[in-house]
Amino acid sequence: EVQLVQSGGVLVQPGGSLRLSCAGSGFTFSRYWMSWVRQAPGKGLEWVANIKEDGSKQNYVDSVKGRFTISRDNAKNSLFLEMNSLRAEDTAVYYCTRAGIGDSSDYYFGYWGQGTLVTVSS
Amino acid sequence: QSALTQPASVSGSPGQSITISCTGSSSDVGAYNYVSWYQQHPGKAPKLMIYDVSNRPSGVSNRFSASKSGNTASLTISGLQAEDEADYYCTSYTGSSPPWVFGGGTRLTVL
Repeated sequence: EVQLVQSGGVLVQPGGSLRLSCAGSGFTFSRYWMSWVRQAPGKGLEWVANIKEDGSKQNYVDSVKGRFTISRDNAKNSLFLEMNSLRAEDTAVYYCTRAGIGDSSDYYFGYWGQGTLVTVSS
Repeated sequence: QSALTQPASVSGSPGQSITISCTGSSSDVGAYNYVSWYQQHPGKAPKLMIYDVSNRPSGVSNRFSASKSGNTASLTISGLQAEDEADYYCTSYTGSSPPWVFGGGTRLTVL
């Protein structure tokens, strides 16, 4: 069974930093692109960042470029999102997602983690 | 890239059918057959319902179907059931930055 288990929620002050983690199991982690998708309270979904199977390429939404860094450790089946210079507008539930449901990456979010609530507030 | 356009809400009675539209542009929905749909119940993570325009993952009811025409994709739910009440989101691959755009979401109410 494919599972994506994320770290717990946290409250952080504006300008602060945070690292989210996501542990994958039940599949060959290194075969898939992985993404972070977020959802502000009461709002819709927004794609944030993704990373290639071997970690050699990353993409980001403009609003987080230069502040967030996506990374992965395939030996530990883990995905990370390093978040710096946090702003109130970064407050959201962050979901870890896997590309596709088959034997390789596809152009959709096949599996989702349970979500991590990040609250940026003083 | 702008977000895809979905109606904010739709409703239907049990047993009826409803359709949710998702309008994009010739750069996203119209350019690629990579439209997917997600169901989200309150407080839960989204769940994949449709991928590659019209394909259903194993385990998703065949009451869910989808299609695309030009720059607009559509999700149809037939034989509405109470458990279908949820938010539904479409997304499309764009081939540029950002690589995915989501619709604003549609709240389905089963009357």
